Amino acid sequence: DGGITQSPKYLFRKEGQNVTLSCEQNLNHDAMYWYRQDPGQGLRLIYYSQIVNDFQKGDIAEGYSVSREKKESFPLTVTSAQKNPTAFYLCASSFRGSNTEAFFGQGTRLTVV
Amino acid sequence: GENVEQHPSTLSVQEGDSAVIKCTYSDSASNYFPWYKQELGKGPQLIIDIRSNVGEKKDQRIAVTLNKTAKHFSLHITETQPEDSAVYFCAASGYSGAGSYQLTFGKGTKLSVIP
Repeated sequence: DGGITQSPKYLFRKEGQNVTLSCEQNLNHDAMYWYRQDPGQGLRLIYYSQIVNDFQKGDIAEGYSVSREKKESFPLTVTSAQKNPTAFYLCASSFRGSNTEAFFGQGTRLTVV
Repeated sequence: GENVEQHPSTLSVQEGDSAVIKCTYSDSASNYFPWYKQELGKGPQLIIDIRSNVGEKKDQRIAVTLNKTAKHFSLHITETQPEDSAVYFCAASGYSGAGSYQLTFGKGTKLSVIP
């Protein structure tokens, strides 16, 4: 089945530690996105990538880093510089160059204690 | 950049009644307007979308209307059922250069359908 997979579903980390969230898709999409969701805040764009080995900052990139070494994968690292890392993180993908549907993963809930 | 406002933030309706959620956008260059439904603990799923060359689109109990002049679009759900209870997000998308498009989301509406 084609789709977009995020892992793990729940993640706990101690304050000050970096943590990497996984996102994999087999939809042959060029574009991939990371969003952060907080209660009452909607979805805010962290980083996005249109092609392999290229990515751009979104609206709230500070304290996060990404890589795009493969078309299928777009991991997000939440660094210790992110002041409020506890949130629900959503990965999405879409075809590049066309204004069409973005498909979302099931999300990762990160809790930093 | 684009700014999307969504209202109301919460909405309660009796089963069988209609529900309407409204959004406004700021960038007149936006030309794609999807609506997503998010159930608790899951990722959003597209339920309907509309492009700027169309004023209305319908899919069974769900319809979306778009007023380009006023820069607002609305989601209409008729004959609501308990399984319609979820958070709904509107979004606006336009060309942002270098072959890329970006979605800007509203803050969401929590719809509760009371049996």
